Amino acid sequence: DSGVTQTPKHLITATGQRVTLRCSPRSGDLSVYWYQQSLDQGLQFLIHYYNGEERAKGNILERFSAQQFPDLHSELNLSSLELGDSALYFCASQANYGYTFGSGTRLTVV
Amino acid sequence: AQSVTQLDSHVSVSEGTPVLLRCNYSSSYSPSLFWYVQHPNKGLQLLLKYTSAATLVKGINGFEAEFKKSETSFHLTKPSAHMSDAAEYFCVVSAGDTGRRALTFGSGTRLQVQP
Repeated sequence: DSGVTQTPKHLITATGQRVTLRCSPRSGDLSVYWYQQSLDQGLQFLIHYYNGEERAKGNILERFSAQQFPDLHSELNLSSLELGDSALYFCASQANYGYTFGSGTRLTVV
Repeated sequence: AQSVTQLDSHVSVSEGTPVLLRCNYSSSYSPSLFWYVQHPNKGLQLLLKYTSAATLVKGINGFEAEFKKSETSFHLTKPSAHMSDAAEYFCVVSAGDTGRRALTFGSGTRLQVQP
């Protein structure tokens, strides 16, 4: 157990739908990063939050959004889903020691 | 800007022989460098990290990596491969202003270990 918790582990949904992925960082870590891992794009940085504020954006589509709540958990919202959004979505929390990844949410869009 | 190039997409070795996974990086800032391993259908596990201390970094499971600034390389090695080492390995760079240290991943190297 890495200390970073992601739910759900698996998600199957239809095109056009909206889903929410959840991440709880390691206790005391203020930073949460979201990454997408797909077969064709590899691992790509989506977005970074630090203590509730957005700090950096990577290759995140406009259909995707995220937020970090006062208790530091984060949610990644994916809307108007397309087949190409099928991927493994990881979150990572970060402190001085480095980065710790959760086990990911596997999203399948059918 | 930062980037990582993993020079081999697949590496196959026999059990008990040495492992070499090659990585080159570029970064506008002094980089932090990492190697992560991903076993099938699993998350990412940190093997080791370099953060401007000793250039030879020892990690878990017998892996180590050497930071060579002149060659902009951070190759991962292990003296003797084990069947359980079969996995995908990612070289990762983190650089940039404080608070904006997103990770840039290489494309990965799949390590196959033959009995």
